[in-house]
Amino acid sequence: ETGVTQTPRHLVMGMTNKKSLKCEQHLGHNAMYWYKQSAKKPLELMFVYSLEERVENNSVPSRFSPECPNSSHLFLHLHTLQPEDSALYLCASSRLSGSPEIASTDTQYFGPGTRLTVL
Amino acid sequence: KQEVTQIPAALSVPEGENLVLNCSFTDSAIYNLQWFRQDPGKGLTSLLLIQSSQREQTSGRLNASLDKSSGRSTLYIAASQPGDSATYLCAAKAAGNKLTFGGGTRVLVKP
Repeated sequence: ETGVTQTPRHLVMGMTNKKSLKCEQHLGHNAMYWYKQSAKKPLELMFVYSLEERVENNSVPSRFSPECPNSSHLFLHLHTLQPEDSALYLCASSRLSGSPEIASTDTQYFGPGTRLTVL
Repeated sequence: KQEVTQIPAALSVPEGENLVLNCSFTDSAIYNLQWFRQDPGKGLTSLLLIQSSQREQTSGRLNASLDKSSGRSTLYIAASQPGDSATYLCAAKAAGNKLTFGGGTRVLVKP
């Protein structure tokens, strides 16, 4: 399989459940990202991992817990979510922008997303 | 803090017409400006990337311009087709691999 994959594609969970979203990239990248896309709101960056180390946490509630065990895999662990957390969760990967050259020419590659519904 | 705005939020045109999508950003200290396409319920596909030192990029029927001084980018799609129907997102890239996205323009091309 190539590119960025995400599982599951759809998830329905109650507020007391615990579930995990999985992302896998086959592009040899060293940076991975979680985004949240809610209806009628711009895409919001949640977390950034660089070389498996979390480098960005955009004031995300603790009920979202990311994990990056290696450079190819990224998880988002979910627990005691709220209905307003229902959204499309997108994973992305990219090369590390270690130089201005890479930073100016590189893009992020996105997975198909997980559509999450919290009841 | 970077803010990215896209106008209009939605656009409907008959097949064959040219499309013009606008994107504005508040902080000109960017590495690049990118345009993505998103089909309903799907991920994003990169269309064009304009480096901060460039003024435009072209790919087939798509052309994107960048004016850093005014904080604007425009995506032109020539001779639109029903298959161009999607949401188009622009994103400004700043330091730390951060992309700030606009709200998107939802395009419908009617046959």
